[in-house]
Amino acid sequence: GAGVSQSPSNKVTEKGKDVELRCDPISGHTALYWYRQSLGQGLEFLIYFQGNSAPDKSGLPSDRFSAERTGGSVSTLTIQRTQQEDSAVYLCASSLGTSLKTGGELFFGEGSRLTVL
Amino acid sequence: AQSVTQLDSQVPVFEEAPVELRCNYSSSVSVYLFWYVQYPNQGLQLLLKYLSGSTLVESINGFEAEFNKSQTSFHLRKPSVHISDTAEYFCAVSALYNQGGKLIFGQGTELSVKP
Repeated sequence: GAGVSQSPSNKVTEKGKDVELRCDPISGHTALYWYRQSLGQGLEFLIYFQGNSAPDKSGLPSDRFSAERTGGSVSTLTIQRTQQEDSAVYLCASSLGTSLKTGGELFFGEGSRLTVL
Repeated sequence: AQSVTQLDSQVPVFEEAPVELRCNYSSSVSVYLFWYVQYPNQGLQLLLKYLSGSTLVESINGFEAEFNKSQTSFHLRKPSVHISDTAEYFCAVSALYNQGGKLIFGQGTELSVKP
């Protein structure tokens, strides 16, 4: 597709269940990022992929959170044993390269809204 | 490490009035600076950026921002706003030599333009 695609757009789950959120980046974009947007908290960096490897996963809030990327394309963010504080919009972004000096812009998807009851 | 503070969470303004959205950052190294905009029910998109050169940068829809290194600020301004400018605006920074391209965002400022 032309843009970053995320699914599902909305997910309601019960506390303690596992969820998977998917991101399909723009074709040819080697870098992929996951952010979390909570009310009043702005955008919180979670993890960054360059190809299939994750050089920076410093933002993952706990070991219940994990992410992988396969084929240098699609990425999945998994949250195990969800808690109510995990409720947020999870945003995925991709970019052409890793250096912002070239003006590499992040292109964002519309997000996956997760509600944990 | 870098951090970003957007001083106003909400800015209500009347149409055709000027507006300034404030952004201050903290960093021990040189940074790139960005403003992203999120229109209702849409994803974030880049509004403008400062990488190097002229400290005053402009967007195609009339916004401008000025990098002030001494004050560590990157405030966003528009001399006359339109209803269509209603959106949430995010200031972001990235360390100059951060090859990962990771952006650190502020908390966002909700601009509400009223007729």
